Amino acid sequence: NAGVIQTPRHKVTGKGQEATLWCEPISGHSAVFWYRQTIVQGLEFLTYFRNQAPIDDSGMPKERFSAQMPNQSHSTLKIQSTQPQDSAVYLCASSLRTGGNTGQLYFGEGSKLTVL
Amino acid sequence: QQKVQQSPESLIVPEGAMTSLNCTFSDSASQYFAWYRQHSGKAPKALMSIFSNGEKEEGRFTIHLNKASLHFSLHIRDSQPSDSALYLCAVDTNKVVFGTGTRLQVLP
Repeated sequence: NAGVIQTPRHKVTGKGQEATLWCEPISGHSAVFWYRQTIVQGLEFLTYFRNQAPIDDSGMPKERFSAQMPNQSHSTLKIQSTQPQDSAVYLCASSLRTGGNTGQLYFGEGSKLTVL
Repeated sequence: QQKVQQSPESLIVPEGAMTSLNCTFSDSASQYFAWYRQHSGKAPKALMSIFSNGEKEEGRFTIHLNKASLHFSLHIRDSQPSDSALYLCAVDTNKVVFGTGTRLQVLP
């Protein structure tokens, strides 16, 4: 099992450009999470899918961020009109989610976004 | 809105010491509590988890949960330099919310 795969590992964009980050969860995992990690804010929840359906996007900055999960094998996080404050490591995680709890999260290595 | 806070922010201990990390949460309906460890430049990895009040021990690590106090903790016995990392507590109430972390340095 390859684990959670995130691409690209590093992305540099100019202010105002678009960035798309990809995540391939572990096969058979029903829950997919996106987080953003910075030194100042720590690990912030962005959004969450269960069985491909969006469940909670309360952490997403509404205007420029969007996430999709078109099939079981991948999810995307798109940031339009990137700003310097969007610079962070974006982490994707998946879990089996049996019963009422999420269970153990398995994280990818992250996509480091730098906005110049 | 679930709030999860950790203390201390950072900690330096000598090799062989007992280390204690703390986590408080705000939602009493929370069901699942976990600790993750993140070495520099790496992804967070799950260490231990607990569902019900009490203690759970795995090797040198012990997790203690007190739901009434909205508090859980991680204790590391015989701390090793390889334990140096960022420790993140996590609380699950439908979504998993993390604390801001405790940075631990164990000096040889």
